[in-house]
Amino acid sequence: GENVEQHPSTLSVQEGDSAVIKCTYSDSASNYFPWYKQELGKRPQLIIDIRSNVGEKKDQRIAVTLNKTAKHFSLHITETQPEDSAVYFCAATGSGAGSYQLTFGKGTKLSVIP
Amino acid sequence: DAGVIQSPRHEVTEMGQEVTLRCKPISGHNSLFWYRQTMMRGLELLIYFNNNVPIDDSGMPEDRFSAKMPNASFSTLKIQPSEPRDSAVYFCASSFKGFWGSQETQYFGPGTRLLVL
Repeated sequence: GENVEQHPSTLSVQEGDSAVIKCTYSDSASNYFPWYKQELGKRPQLIIDIRSNVGEKKDQRIAVTLNKTAKHFSLHITETQPEDSAVYFCAATGSGAGSYQLTFGKGTKLSVIP
Repeated sequence: DAGVIQSPRHEVTEMGQEVTLRCKPISGHNSLFWYRQTMMRGLELLIYFNNNVPIDDSGMPEDRFSAKMPNASFSTLKIQPSEPRDSAVYFCASSFKGFWGSQETQYFGPGTRLLVL
């Protein structure tokens, strides 16, 4: 089945700096890659996603890049703010029957220092 | 839309008791997922349904766990008997997947925080 590795597990940045979180996946047939943000005590919420037919997607201060050849994708947050502090999860779909499900990375705890 | 609804939001029970968690997916969604989240193991997929049919329950820890989806708007996850190691946050999520379409976004419910003493 699909295996998703996420790095780093923790990340601290100064307010205003950029943050980058990287994920790799194992199933070359995966075609959907969402990123979720989970604040303490809350549910995971989608912040951005990318499909395998595009290489980059932006939404204001957030961007995601995908390299299908290398099987990795990254989340970029620019001009970080204290409210960006949370745990971020990457995920990827499986193939075949597994395309119903998402496999999640272990998460990255981002701390933005004011 | 009210989003995915889960109940109860918090559950405290004693070891050996039966626990039933409930989920109402977003109207129109045809896939439903049960996850368990702990600090040690992260987000684990327990089981998912498509069109009310269980597709893969390989993530269910053991026979003490069971899940049902009797109709498109309701699912339950039952633990019987419960054990302290079952303490976790249990999330339900739903999505829509068309026959030819690609995987769509999963929307999570608020979760049920379970503590087994």
